[in-house]
Amino acid sequence: GQQVMQIPQYQHVQEGEDFTTYCNSSTTLSNIQWYKQRPGGHPVFLIQLVKSGEVKKQKRLTFQFGEAKKNSSLHITATQTTDVGTYFCAQANAGGTSYGKLTFGQGTILTVHP
Amino acid sequence: EPEVTQTPSHQVTQMGQEVILRCVPISNHLYFYWYRQILGQKVEFLVSFYNNEISEKSEIFDDQFSVERPDGSNFTLKIRSTKLEDSAMYFCASSLTGARQDYGYTFGSGTRLTVV
Repeated sequence: GQQVMQIPQYQHVQEGEDFTTYCNSSTTLSNIQWYKQRPGGHPVFLIQLVKSGEVKKQKRLTFQFGEAKKNSSLHITATQTTDVGTYFCAQANAGGTSYGKLTFGQGTILTVHP
Repeated sequence: EPEVTQTPSHQVTQMGQEVILRCVPISNHLYFYWYRQILGQKVEFLVSFYNNEISEKSEIFDDQFSVERPDGSNFTLKIRSTKLEDSAMYFCASSLTGARQDYGYTFGSGTRLTVV
C-alpha cells in the first residue's frame, strides 16, 4: 500500500533556529496533510495540500507540496518552545472504495531548547 | 470548537479480557475511524466506518476487533480477548466528508490501553 517516509526522525534545535521536516513517497500523492502531536497528546490537523507545487503559510509555518506530488515539507521559522512535539505527514486515501483512511509518516520529534 | 470525546482515558486490563473503548464523534460528522499508536511509533489505521458499516479495515483489525455505532452518537471499539501487543494509545477520529475536504480529521484525546 501507499507509504510515506518522513525524515528526520528527531530534531533538536535552539529556540530561534529554524526547523524543517520532509515527507517522501515513491508514488504520486493525491494529497498531503500535516498534523502536530504534543507530548502525551493527540494528532491535531494543521493543513492539507492538494495541488502540485502548492505553498501554504500559517504564521511561522510554511508547507510545501512538490511539483511531482511525491514530496512535501514543513518549515518552521524561528522555533519557540511551544513548537515542541511530533510532526506527522499523512495521506488521506481518496477515490474508489476508500473512505479517507489516513496513512501516516513516522513523524519527526522536535525538541526546542530555550 | 467541536470535539471528539473518548472514554476512558486510561484502561488497564488482564490479558484475555474483553475491553470496550468508547468515542463520541462530532455530531454532524459522517465518517468515523479508529487508529492506534504504540508508544513512540507512528499512528496506524485500524478501521473506518460509514453508513453504519465498516468501509475499510487494516490487517491489524482481525477477528478480535469489532466496532459498533449502537445509538447514533457513540462509536465503540471492542477487543474480545486482549493480548499484550494490544497495549497502545487508541484514537478515535471523525470527519464530515472523508478524504475530500480541507479541514482534516478531528482526533479524540485517546484511550491508553495497557494489557498486563
